[in-house]
Formats: sequence, C-alpha cells, structure tokens
Amino acid sequence: GIQVEQSPPDLILQEGANSTLRCNFSDSVNNLQWFHQNPWGQLINLFYIPSGTKQNGRLSATTVATERYSLLYISSSQTTDSGVYFCAVAGRGGADGLTFGKGTHLIIQP
Amino acid sequence: EPEVTQTPSHQVTQMGQEVILRCVPISNHLYFYWYRQILGQKVEFLVSFYNNEISEKSEIFDDQFSVERPDGSNFTLKIRSTKLEDSAMYFCASSELWGPYNSPLHFGNGTRLTVT
Repeated sequence: GIQVEQSPPDLILQEGANSTLRCNFSDSVNNLQWFHQNPWGQLINLFYIPSGTKQNGRLSATTVATERYSLLYISSSQTTDSGVYFCAVAGRGGADGLTFGKGTHLIIQP
Repeated sequence: EPEVTQTPSHQVTQMGQEVILRCVPISNHLYFYWYRQILGQKVEFLVSFYNNEISEKSEIFDDQFSVERPDGSNFTLKIRSTKLEDSAMYFCASSELWGPYNSPLHFGNGTRLTVT
C-alpha cells in the first residue's frame, strides 16, 4: 500500500515562531488531508488538499502532487497549536480509507 | 457546526466480552468510517460504509468486527470477543461525498476502549 512519511517527528518552538511540516507519499494520490490532534485527542480536519495551495488564517498548506509531497505551514505559533499533526492520503486506486503518517508532534512553549 | 458524536467516551471491558461502540454521523453525510489509534501510534483505517453496506475494509477488520446502521442516525461498531490488543481509541468519521470528490473527513471525539 501507499507509504506516508512525515517530518520532523518532533518539533519544539517558542510562541510566535513559524514552522513547516512535511509529508512525503510514495504514490499518486487523489485525496490528501491534514489533521490536528489536540492534547485531548480530538482529530480536527485542517485541510483537504490533494493538490495546490490553501490558506486558513495562520495555517496554509501546499501539495505538489507530481513530486509527491505536501507542506503545512504554521505562522506565529500559539500554545494552542500544540499537538500532533497528521497527514493522511488515499491512492488513485480509489481507496476509501485514508493512510495516515506517524505525525509530527509539535510543542509550542510560552 | 454539525458534529460527529460518539458514545461512550470510555469503555472498559473484560477480555472475551462483546462491545458496541456507537456513533451519530453528521446528518447529511453519506459515507461513514471507523478508525482506531493504539496509544501513541498512528491512526489506522478499519472500515468504510456506504448505502447500508461495507464499501472497504482493512486487514485489521477481521471476523471479530462488524458494523451496522440500525436506524437513520446511528452507526455502530461491534467487537464480538475482545482481546487485549483491541485496546485503543476508536474514532468514527463521516464525509458528505466519496473522499476523492473534495470531501473532508470529520471525526468524532473517539471512544477509548480498555480491555482488561
């Protein structure tokens, strides 16, 4: 099946810093989503972005489908941004289920 | 904003017992899913459900697992005879359309299942 690798695995930043999280995938995808799992375990959908660029407030994401990677940018980090960020994909075979990466554990210190 | 709701939030059961995890997807959504997350690990797909039947299932979803939509609102996951390794957070999710058609996945808050 499709492989998803996320980097870095862990990231510790001071409040106000910017960060870039990366997601590499091993095959063509027709579905790519970014999720934030907060410290209470809730999974929040951030972006549906199989290609192109989207922005939502301080967060933006870019997927370069031809090169099989996606980037999540977080600007002016706040402590509430802490948690685990997951990239999840489904391949062009038409799969329903998303394959998740192992996530990037982000800690924002005040 | 509409939400996916799951009950109970925490379930403790003894090995070998049957458990039913319940979910109410977002009302206008057509596709329903179960995922699980073993503590500290990544989220894993279990099963998708559309038009009252299983659309796709993973290798994890063996004969011990079953899903059902008993009425117009609830979506359930049953584990027939729980094992210690079934201990995990189980997430229900729903989407309006099939995934590739620009349809974000919305997750519930999860049910933490502990098998003793």
